Amino acid sequence: SAVISQKPSRDICQRGTSLTIQCQVDSQVTMMFWYRQQPGQSLTLIATANQGSEATYESGFVIDKFPISRPNLTFSTLTVSNMSPEDSSIYLCSALTGVGYGYTFGSGTRLTVV
Amino acid sequence: GQQLNQSPQSMFIQEGEDVSMNCTSSSIFNTWLWYKQDPGEGPVLLIALYKAGELTSNGRLTAQFGITRKDSFLNISASIPSDVGIYFCAGQVYSGGGADGLTFGKGTHLIIQP
Repeated sequence: SAVISQKPSRDICQRGTSLTIQCQVDSQVTMMFWYRQQPGQSLTLIATANQGSEATYESGFVIDKFPISRPNLTFSTLTVSNMSPEDSSIYLCSALTGVGYGYTFGSGTRLTVV
Repeated sequence: GQQLNQSPQSMFIQEGEDVSMNCTSSSIFNTWLWYKQDPGEGPVLLIALYKAGELTSNGRLTAQFGITRKDSFLNISASIPSDVGIYFCAGQVYSGGGADGLTFGKGTHLIIQP
């Protein structure tokens, strides 16, 4: 199956600043997804990012807060804008890869906003 | 939106015992997936189920896609210490735009006492 690399793996940021998370897949994929996992909680889908089109956001998530880029079939970025402590979470990238619609996940970016 | 009810929330078992967990939903899903997440890592796919009634095994793990497409269970036989972790069920639907992102259950935290 595909390997997904995320950078940074963790960061501590000041409130009011922005952080861009990078996601690199070792093979070309059509669909990529971004999730948020708050401490001790489950994963919640933020948006779907397809190459060549604007990202589709789930209810409760907006482009101004979480702008996403998808410049090619192996790469995507998620920016967490104007951060507040409530944005402290693990952000995970996922891609639809392999035979049988397997979803592969990166190791996540652990964000702490102070 | 769609919700998955996963139970139990946590399990404390003895090494060697069998484990059973399940997920139910009021919505129909096209695919059911079971993931395991270790601390500091992203979820890793254990089993994927694509057809109602499907029963699939992966080593000591067995999972079934409910006939109504609204539920699934995961069994682990003869548990070992490395089975410790958080297990998530996830459901997927196919919309007009292709495969949607996953809806996750809240997780089952498995703790094994030697």
